[in-house]
Amino acid sequence: SAVISQKPSRDICQRGTSLTIQCQVDSQVTMMFWYRQQPGQSLTLIATANQGSEATYESGFVIDKFPISRPNLTFSTLTVSNMSPEDSSIYLCSVREGNNYGYTFGSGTRLTVV
Amino acid sequence: AQKVTQAQTEISVVEKEDVTLDCVYETRDTTYYLFWYKQPPSGELVFLIRRNSFDEQNEISGRYSWNFQKSTSSFNFTITASQVVDSAVYFCALSSNYQLIWGAGTKLIIKP
Repeated sequence: SAVISQKPSRDICQRGTSLTIQCQVDSQVTMMFWYRQQPGQSLTLIATANQGSEATYESGFVIDKFPISRPNLTFSTLTVSNMSPEDSSIYLCSVREGNNYGYTFGSGTRLTVV
Repeated sequence: AQKVTQAQTEISVVEKEDVTLDCVYETRDTTYYLFWYKQPPSGELVFLIRRNSFDEQNEISGRYSWNFQKSTSSFNFTITASQVVDSAVYFCALSSNYQLIWGAGTKLIIKP
């Protein structure tokens, strides 16, 4: 299965600033997903990022707040913009691998906004 | 509508006890996949099992076993002889239309 390197693993940021999270995959994958996991909660899908097209955002998430880049089949970034304490969460990237419906996850970015 | 229900918010048992985590799902699809993931305190998601809708065979992997019953739309997970290292949040998920539908998770606490 694919291996995903997600960076940074954690960060503490000031409110009003932005943080860009990177995910590098060791193989080419078509579908990448970005999730947010607020403290004590389940995972919530932010957007689906396919190479060569605009990301598709879920209800409640907008591109201005969470811009996503997907320049090729092995890399993607998620930016959390104009952060507030409510953005404090774990952010995870994930890829869907081929037709076997396997999903692999990055190790997560634990973000704290102060 | 697609939905995954993990009714047990938190379970606490003493080490070496057996424990079952429940998962009930809803879908109109005839082809779907079910998953269990483990999330230890460090935060990463650890894949445990994937089961497709056509395979109702139960599976055992070491101390872990899974009971898939389409008749009751359930995909329950049992840990036998639990250990402190099993303490984590466990998520059940349903794959539909390329996305994962997540349950709320069950926090499992294994006391020494």
